[in-house]
Amino acid sequence: KAGVTQTPRYLIKTRGQQVTLSCSPISGHRSVSWYQQTPGQGLQFLFEYFSETQRNKGNFPGRFSGRQFSNSRSEMNVSTLELGDSALYLCASSVKQGLGEKLFFGSGTQLSVL
Amino acid sequence: DAKTTQPTSMDCAEGRAANLPCNHSTISGNEYVYWYRQIHSQGPQYIIHGLKNNETNEMASLIITEDRKSSTLILPHATLRDTAVYYCIVRGHYDRGSTLGRLYFGRGTQLTVWP
Repeated sequence: KAGVTQTPRYLIKTRGQQVTLSCSPISGHRSVSWYQQTPGQGLQFLFEYFSETQRNKGNFPGRFSGRQFSNSRSEMNVSTLELGDSALYLCASSVKQGLGEKLFFGSGTQLSVL
Repeated sequence: DAKTTQPTSMDCAEGRAANLPCNHSTISGNEYVYWYRQIHSQGPQYIIHGLKNNETNEMASLIITEDRKSSTLILPHATLRDTAVYYCIVRGHYDRGSTLGRLYFGRGTQLTVWP
């Protein structure tokens, strides 16, 4: 089975621009979540989608948004980019295992905002 | 979700067992203990999880104390490729309406395996 695929791998943008990141989950996984990782804040939860519905959202401004398509692929969008948005953005798809769950992460998109 | 406390860093000789501790004194009855690791420049990787019994898989063993307030991840024969940041996470079990995918990662333990 192919793993979680994120595109692009690297991205350079300037302040004020917007960006769209893409994530293809493992086949059959319906839950997709997004995380931001920075050296200062570590890994922080952005939002989670299940069957095209946003189920939960982390503490990020409204400039961060996402969506999920009927084939479970997901995109996240950041508008009006700021320097502080420079980070590794990670997508994960998850599957239940008994009453627990397993998350499978992609390799991430490294976003640099200049 | 309960908070966890882990040492900032540890090291281990290649071929020896690596024992990574985690304290989760506020864990509640329906919360699982999860371990993930992140090798530099990659996404986190699931290792193992458990509720109260010890668990073992092809990657590691998880030992949870009887009172469930702490646990230890054991890599039985550490290799250089096990050098990574290891995250101990406590999370409630999935049920209808709860959210898959939301995990609270702390700072983790940087494990360095040396030759």
